[in-house]
Amino acid sequence: DIQMTQSPSSLSASVGDRVSITCRASQSISSYLNWYQQKPGQAPKPLIYGTSSLHSGVPSRFSGSGSGTDFTLTISTLQPEDFATYFCQQTYKMPWTLGQGTKVEIK
Amino acid sequence: EVQLVESGGGSVQPGGSLRLSCSASGFTFSDYSMHWVRQAPGKGLEFVSGISNKNGDSTFYAASVQGRFIISRDNSKNTVYLQMSSLTTADTAVYYCVKDDRCPACYFDHWGRGTLVTVSS
Repeated sequence: DIQMTQSPSSLSASVGDRVSITCRASQSISSYLNWYQQKPGQAPKPLIYGTSSLHSGVPSRFSGSGSGTDFTLTISTLQPEDFATYFCQQTYKMPWTLGQGTKVEIK
Repeated sequence: EVQLVESGGGSVQPGGSLRLSCSASGFTFSDYSMHWVRQAPGKGLEFVSGISNKNGDSTFYAASVQGRFIISRDNSKNTVYLQMSSLTTADTAVYYCVKDDRCPACYFDHWGRGTLVTVSS
């Protein structure tokens, strides 16, 4: 199975900060990389698919980049509603594995 | 509006069985692959199983459930199932039903609210 490793596991940031989360795959996954956001007690929500395409309704402050094995989710200007846990996922090869999550907390 | 509603969760003893159902609406069910993702308490997300669209000829499983879980679909009922057997405490989790889109790249564009499965003696 393809292993997905996110870093950091958690981070503290302030409203208005620029935040970046990294996801590394154990082998090349081309651009088949997605990002999800999850808040406590809620189901995850899609943010980005295919490395850099925004899911419908997702604010433009979210962006994704990368290819091969290294990918980044960037929040350009952190908003109060962005404090959550973020997961990456590869859909290059079954089973479609996910990263362990990155919790973005308020500083 | 796409809706995915899971049911069938509950408490079961180790070694027991349970069948989860996911009722879908708001889209042409047979056109999409469907999947199950789980989340153990306080843990991350784990892909459990997936089934291809149309007649569901292709199924996929995480290594952790291979041989114990069976995914199936009934397009006439717009429902996907997850038959779980030989359950262990490690299977305790919220189980989410998810729909994919934008394949072949694919991503999970809609999620159900989840159903809790607790395996305990």
